[in-house]
Amino acid sequence: KAGVTQTPRYLIKTRGQQVTLSCSPISGHRSVSWYQQTPGQGLQFLFEYFSETQRNKGNFPGRFSGRQFSNSRSEMNVSTLELGDSALYLCASSLFPSGSGTDTQYFGPGTRLTVL
Amino acid sequence: GESVGLHLPTLSVQEGDNSIINCAYSNSASDYFIWYKQESGKGPQFIIDIRSNMDKRQGQRVTVLLNKTVKHLSLQIAATQPGDSAVYFCAENSYSGGGADGLTFGKGTHLIIQP
Repeated sequence: KAGVTQTPRYLIKTRGQQVTLSCSPISGHRSVSWYQQTPGQGLQFLFEYFSETQRNKGNFPGRFSGRQFSNSRSEMNVSTLELGDSALYLCASSLFPSGSGTDTQYFGPGTRLTVL
Repeated sequence: GESVGLHLPTLSVQEGDNSIINCAYSNSASDYFIWYKQESGKGPQFIIDIRSNMDKRQGQRVTVLLNKTVKHLSLQIAATQPGDSAVYFCAENSYSGGGADGLTFGKGTHLIIQP
């Protein structure tokens, strides 16, 4: 069974631009979560989607948004990029949403975003 | 606050020795804990998990211990190999008034295997 895939793997953008990242979960998984990883802050939860609905969101500004499609694929968008948005963005999928008891999350390789 | 922490940022062990990586958590409501391994340039890889109704779980060469009394989690790796070199994260299910909030991760321990 194929793992979680993320595209693109690397991105370079400039301040003020916007970016869209894509995530395809493991086949059959319906929950997708996004995380930001930086050397200073570590791994931080962005948001989780299940059945095309955002279930919860971490402590990030409104410039960070996402969505999920009917096939469970998910995208996240960051608008008006800032230098501090440079990070590894990780997507994780699970069968069911967090807290459900069958919520082991499996991660993709991440998208490395560099903002210049 | 609700956080998951690790005691040591770096742990160096000899190849073939056993490794123990520790983690402390502060949220007594946490009921699910996971250990992940992250190699350079890759996403976190699931190693083993444990639910709060257990105090020990074993996998292949790995054992996770959970002590709810002192809110402590540990990962034991038997007979460490060069391929075990990576950063290890513990994570817990976070909860707020609105329900589960995703995983909260510790800062990570970099395990270095000396030949």
